[in-house]
Amino acid sequence: AQKITQTQPGMFVQEKEAVTLDCTYDTSDPSYGLFWYKQPSSGEMIFLIYQGSYDQQNATEGRYSLNFQKARKSANLVISASQLGDSAMYFCAMREPYSGAGSYQLTFGKGTKLSVIP
Amino acid sequence: DTEVTQTPKHLVMGMTNKKSLKCEQHMGHRAMYWYKQKAKKPPELMFVYSYEKLSINESVPSRFSPECPNSSLLNLHLHALQPEDSALYLCASSQQESSAVLTFGAGSRLTVL
Repeated sequence: AQKITQTQPGMFVQEKEAVTLDCTYDTSDPSYGLFWYKQPSSGEMIFLIYQGSYDQQNATEGRYSLNFQKARKSANLVISASQLGDSAMYFCAMREPYSGAGSYQLTFGKGTKLSVIP
Repeated sequence: DTEVTQTPKHLVMGMTNKKSLKCEQHMGHRAMYWYKQKAKKPPELMFVYSYEKLSINESVPSRFSPECPNSSLLNLHLHALQPEDSALYLCASSQQESSAVLTFGAGSRLTVL
C-alpha cells in the first residue's frame, strides 16, 4: 500500500523568502508519480508540479521546484520568493500504479498550511 | 478551455431531500473523478469514471449515486444524506496517460441539515 507523509501541519514564511514543504512517501512499486497541489481557502485544488519516478532531473515550474530524493523517498516542494498569495494548504500526492484502465488514483498527504507573513 | 466547472458552489439540503451536483469539462479528458473533502482533511476518492463507465467505487454508501451521461459531464445524485456527509465535493478529470495531471474544479460545498 502506498503512503504519503507530510509532517508539518503548519508553516510560516516571510514574504520574499524561500520555504520548503516536506513530503515523504512509501511504495514498493518502481513506477509512480508525485504531485503537489495548492488549495486556497476558496477550495479549488490547483496543480503545481509533477515528478515521475524515472525522471532524471528535479521538476521545476516557475517559483516551484521539487527536491526529489529517490533513495530517501522524499519529494519536498520548494517555493522561492514567497508571495502573500502563496498562503494556502499544500498537499503532496502520489499516483497509484497506472492500471491501464484509463484512470488512476491519487493518495494525498494530510497537507501543510502555509502562511506568508508581510 | 482548461477548466472543470462544478455547480452549485454551495448547497444546503435536508436529510429527506434529493439533489444533484454537476461537473463539466471540455478538455477531452476521458477519466472523471469525485472526491469528498472534510474540513482540514485531504480529499478522499469516491468514484472514478473511465470512458463513461464506472471503474472505481470506493465503498461509498448508496445514498450517493454517480452518473456520467457523456464524456464531458459527471453528476453526483444525493438522496437521504446524513449531517456527517457535509463536506466539500471536488470533481476532477484527467487524460489517460500515466503522467497525466488531475485537473480539479472549485468544488461544491454541501451542508446537510
